[in-house]
Amino acid sequence: GQQLNQSPQSMFIQEGEDVSMNCTSSSIFNTWLWYKQDPGEGPVLLIALYKAGELTSNGRLTAQFGITRKDSFLNISASIPSDVGIYFCAGQKGSGNTGKLIFGQGTTLQVKP
Amino acid sequence: NAGVTQTPKFQVLKTGQSMTLQCAQDMNHNSMYWYRQDPGMGLRLIYYSASEGTTDKGEVPNGYNVSRLNKREFSLRLESAAPSQTSVYFCASSGTGEGYGYTFGSGTRLTVV
Repeated sequence: GQQLNQSPQSMFIQEGEDVSMNCTSSSIFNTWLWYKQDPGEGPVLLIALYKAGELTSNGRLTAQFGITRKDSFLNISASIPSDVGIYFCAGQKGSGNTGKLIFGQGTTLQVKP
Repeated sequence: NAGVTQTPKFQVLKTGQSMTLQCAQDMNHNSMYWYRQDPGMGLRLIYYSASEGTTDKGEVPNGYNVSRLNKREFSLRLESAAPSQTSVYFCASSGTGEGYGYTFGSGTRLTVV
C-alpha cells in the first residue's frame, strides 16, 4: 500500500502568500521528486532531489531532501493563480533513476486572486 | 516532440466489456508504467515494464494485463471491466540516470457503468 504520507491534503490561500507542503515515509528513499498536475493533464516534474540534505530551487519553488532520507518538503513563495493544481511528492528507492516511483496522496492547492 | 501519447482520452464501458488502453513514447526510454489515479489515493502503480520484453506487477494489478509490444509501446488491457476500475489512467516512461524523472501522458478517463 501507500508508503508516503503527504500533507496537507488541501490548501486554500490568498495570492501572494507562501505555501509549504511535506511528505514523510517510514522507508528510506534515494530520490525524491515533486510533481504538479494541472486539471485534465498528467503530472509534470517540478524538482528532483538526489542527495540527503540537498536544497534545490526552481524559480519560486524550493524543495529539500530530508537528512534522514525519509522526508521532503516543497515551498512555493509568493503564490500566483496559475499555481493552482495538485502537487505530488514521489519517492524512488533505486539509484540513478532506477526502480518504481511511489507517490503521496497529493496536495490540492487553490489560490484566491 | 510528442513525449507520451495515450489513447483514448475518454471511454465509457459497460460492466463486463473489455478494452485496451494504448500508450506510446518517442523518447527512447527503456521503462514504461501504468498508474491509476483515484481521489485522495494519489497515483497507484498497476504494472510496469523496466525494459522491452519484461513486465512486472505493481501495487494494484488485479483485473489488468499489459503488453510491452516494443520499446515504444506499452498497452493496458481490461478483460472484464468492473465499476471499481472507474478511474483516470496514466501511462509514463523514464530513462535511466540522474536528471530523468517520469514523463506522463495526459491520461485516459475511464467510466465503467
